[in-house]
Amino acid sequence: SQQGEEDPQALSIQEGENATMNCSYKTSINNLQWYRQNSGRGLVHLILIRSNEREKHSGRLRVTLDTSKKSSSLLITASRAADTASYFCATENTGFQKLVFGTGTRLLVSP
Amino acid sequence: DVKVTQSSRYLVKRTGEKVFLECVQDMDHENMFWYRQDPGLGLRLIYFSYDVKMKEKGDIPEGYSVSREKKERFSLILESASTNQTSMYLCASTYRGSGEAFFGQGTRLTVV
Repeated sequence: SQQGEEDPQALSIQEGENATMNCSYKTSINNLQWYRQNSGRGLVHLILIRSNEREKHSGRLRVTLDTSKKSSSLLITASRAADTASYFCATENTGFQKLVFGTGTRLLVSP
Repeated sequence: DVKVTQSSRYLVKRTGEKVFLECVQDMDHENMFWYRQDPGLGLRLIYFSYDVKMKEKGDIPEGYSVSREKKERFSLILESASTNQTSMYLCASTYRGSGEAFFGQGTRLTVV
């Protein structure tokens, strides 16, 4: 399987704290993306980082990419209860632009 | 507003039935994907298509086939449904060169 892995599998924090999730993958990539999924729904795209980029910001989100280690991290700063969801990384492989997802991190932010 | 629409939110089928899951996108995207999502396993790629009539196997194609006769429509077919195919099925599409995927709302399939 080419599926990536994320850790931790689950993360529980208080509102206002920062949340960090990590993703490891296996193949050469064009880009790496992060998605959010609220319970039982489809996924929503959050941010994309290309293979030649090392860091990217979007609002309270910060993504880093280390292609030498085949890993990425997503930092959500000043978490809110509304950030409670599952978060998935996905890699777009070179070639046919196949999009492969990781196993996900369940984030719980308590008020 | 961009849209990916899956034909059913919930579906219950009997073992051995032939099942069709339909996905339609209105964004003129070249790439379309079918995933299944199971607890603890994340999203696993079943099949994807990068053009009309073109398809590539994903990580778990066994027991499934696909059809893409028109650019906007990508169908997933369970030839003979089995209980281990009970799952959430998610369709997605991307524009070639863009990367960002748009997802349908998912179909929760139960095979009894």
